[in-house]
Formats: sequence, C-alpha cells, structure tokens
Amino acid sequence: DVKVTQSSRYLVKRTGEKVFLECVQDMDHENMFWYRQDPGLGLRLIYFSYDVKMKEKGDIPEGYSVSREKKERFSLILESASTNQTSMYLCASIPQGLNQPQHFGDGTRLSIL
Amino acid sequence: GQNIDQPTEMTATEGAIVQINCTYQTSGFNGLFWYQQHAGEAPTFLSYNVLDGLEEKGRFSSFLSRSKGYSYLLLKELQMKDSASYLCAVRPRGAAGNKLTFGGGTRVLVKP
Repeated sequence: DVKVTQSSRYLVKRTGEKVFLECVQDMDHENMFWYRQDPGLGLRLIYFSYDVKMKEKGDIPEGYSVSREKKERFSLILESASTNQTSMYLCASIPQGLNQPQHFGDGTRLSIL
Repeated sequence: GQNIDQPTEMTATEGAIVQINCTYQTSGFNGLFWYQQHAGEAPTFLSYNVLDGLEEKGRFSSFLSRSKGYSYLLLKELQMKDSASYLCAVRPRGAAGNKLTFGGGTRVLVKP
C-alpha cells in the first residue's frame, strides 16, 4: 500500500519565520505535489515535481518554494511566513500512467501567528 | 484554463441515495477522479472515469459524459460514515506530471 508521510500534523509558526514542510513517499513515484486546502476554495496546487530536481509552478506559487533533491522527498518552503498562509497543506504523489490516482498524505495544519 | 463546478453541500437520510454532480470545462480531457475526504483527514480515491458511461463499485457509482462535460457520483444505501466531502478532479490532456484540477468539493451530511 502506498504511504505518503508528512512530517507534522499540526504546526504553529510566527510571521516572518522560514517554514519547512516535509513529505516522503515510499513507492518510488515520479510525480509529487503540494496543495493547500481552504474552506470554500477547495484544493489548490502550489507546486509540483515530476522528477528529481525538477519543479513546476502550480496555480498559487507566490510566497512558496520547493525542493526535490531525492525522489522520495518533496519539501515545501515558506520563505517568510505570513498570516494568509495559515491553511491545511496536503502532499500527494502519483506514478507515471494516466489512470493512476494521486495518493495523499494526512496533511499539515499550519497556523501562522 | 479549467473550471470545475460542484454543489457546496447536500443533506440526505440514512439508507437513501444521493447524487453529486460535477460539471467541468477544460482545455482537453484525460480522465475524471472522485475522492472522499472525511473532516481532518486526507482525500482517498473512490473512482476514475475516462470513457463515457457508468462505473460501479459496491454502493458507489460514477458516471461520465465527455460530450456534456458532466459527471456524477452516486452513493446508494447511505450510511452515517458516508458523511464527508466529495471532491471531483479532472486531468487535462497533456498535463505535466499527471496533475489534477480539483473542484471545491461537496459536503454531504447523512442524517439518521
């Protein structure tokens, strides 16, 4: 069974801090994604990566960056956290192949004070 | 661009049937997914449609009409544990990395 693990379920940080959210998958998937989920707005794609060291912007990349140094790990970085980045963050992975579903981690609920 | 619409909320009674509609406009189409998400948990995969027609999996069925840009998820014999949000997601043709575009989700409340 696919396992996508996010490093924290709950995280509280202060405005201006640099924040790292980590995601690890154990199924050798090529593609990994970071979303944020807010009430009424659904899941919005921040960044994704289709290979090691490769990254592409999603729909809302501003204020975020990512790192994919190893295939199994995809990190989301908030360079200087702001209160409007308080949200639920979800990581997902998927292998190549058109009919494959994305597998999600349990999410990190991040609060920026 | 992509636009995906689904109702915000639906209420139904235990044992009944509920149909959640999803309409989409995308630049190309390579499949539609339905996910279930309980409060505070990760979305879990329910179904995938790429061809027109009905796919049945136990109490859950999903239908797709590509020409109409329309899908529905049918939940039969509703149980209390079916109270959750249901997310419709579309994979546009040529999408890099197999990325998906999600609708806002439909929250289903099952009452006794």
